[in-house]
Parts: sequence; C-alpha cells; structure tokens
Amino acid sequence: DAGVIQSPRHEVTEMGQEVTLRCKPISGHDYLFWYRQTMMRGLELLIYFNNNVPIDDSGMPEDRFSAKMPNASFSTLKIQPSEPRDSAVYFCASSLWGTNTDTQYFGPGTRLTVL
Amino acid sequence: DAKTTQPPSMDCAEGRAANLPCNHSTISGNEYVYWYRQIHSQGPQYIIHGLKNNETNEMASLIITEDRKSSTLILPHATLRDTAVYYCIPRAPRAQGGSEKLVFGKGTKLTVNP
Repeated sequence: DAGVIQSPRHEVTEMGQEVTLRCKPISGHDYLFWYRQTMMRGLELLIYFNNNVPIDDSGMPEDRFSAKMPNASFSTLKIQPSEPRDSAVYFCASSLWGTNTDTQYFGPGTRLTVL
Repeated sequence: DAKTTQPPSMDCAEGRAANLPCNHSTISGNEYVYWYRQIHSQGPQYIIHGLKNNETNEMASLIITEDRKSSTLILPHATLRDTAVYYCIPRAPRAQGGSEKLVFGKGTKLTVNP
C-alpha cells in the first residue's frame, strides 16, 4: 500500500488566494483526519470524517477553512481567502475502525506558505 | 483527556538504550497510553500502546507503572534514525467509547548522537 498520499507537498501562495490541499487515504480506511502543525500551536486536529461524513469540525479555525470528502478515497481542505497566519504544515491521516491499535496513519504533509 | 508531562528534550548515544518518560497522573481507567513519534519533516508515526501491562514490539518497549500514573518508552538500541519528537498520548480506544481524536502535547525531542 502506498500509504496516505497528500498533494501538493509544498504550496506557496499570496495572501487572498484560494488554496486547496488534497488527501488520498489508505484504501479501506473509514476515518480521515486533517491536522495542522505550527511552531506556536504544535499539532492540532482540524476536522475528521467517518465514512465520508464530517464528525467533528470544532478545530477548524474559522469560516475561511472548509473540508470535504466526496468519496472514500479523496478529501480536500480549502482555505479561501488565505492569510499569512495560515502558513503551516497540514497533515492528513486515516485509520480503520475495529483494529486493535486504532492507529492513525499520517501522510507526508503539505507545507503551506502564504506570503 | 488526561494531561501529560514529558521532558522537552533528551540526548542518547547511538547504540545505547533511550528511555523516554511520561507522566499521566490523571489517566482514566479505560485510557491506554499511546506513543507516536515524528521524524523531522515527516508525519507522526505510531510506535506502541499499552493499558497496564508492559508491551514490546519490533520498534520499542513500553513500561507502565502499576498505578498507571507514568510510563517509559524504551528504544533498546537507539540509532541515528530514531532522532525525532516522541509523543505520549493517553486515549481510550474507540471500541470502548473513546474519542477518535489524538491530542498531541509538546513531546520530547530525542537526539541520538554518534
């Protein structure tokens, strides 16, 4: 298995532009998570889905952020409009209900820089 | 969620055992202790978890005190590739009504020196 795939790996954009981050979870996994990591706040959960349905979006910072999961193999995190304080590494993770470990498998992340 | 206390940084010589402590004095009865690590510029990686018995897998060993208020992750023969930030996360399994969320603290930055 290729693991969790994220694209792009790096994104540089200007303030005010729309940014879309993409994630392909591990095939067969039924949970998908979006995290953000910054020096100031560390790793924080933004939103997670179960069977393509958003379960908890309490970590989404504000209305400029939105996430979708149109099918079991694809999810997007969109920021519109982007701001410099959105600069961070965004991780996607997936997991499978019922496994002994409840392990979350993380992708390599997308490093976002908003100028 | 139980709070954790980990030393911010530790050093270890290559080939020696690395012992990473974690205090979780408010852990609930059904919460396991999970350990993840994050190597620089990569996503976090699961290492091991346990409830009250000591656990061992191909990556590490986990020692949990009898009162469950603290635990130690042991890397028996640390290599340079083990340099990473290590996170201790108390969490109840989903199958026991736990949350799907992983709450990451600041972790311990382990540096393995040649």
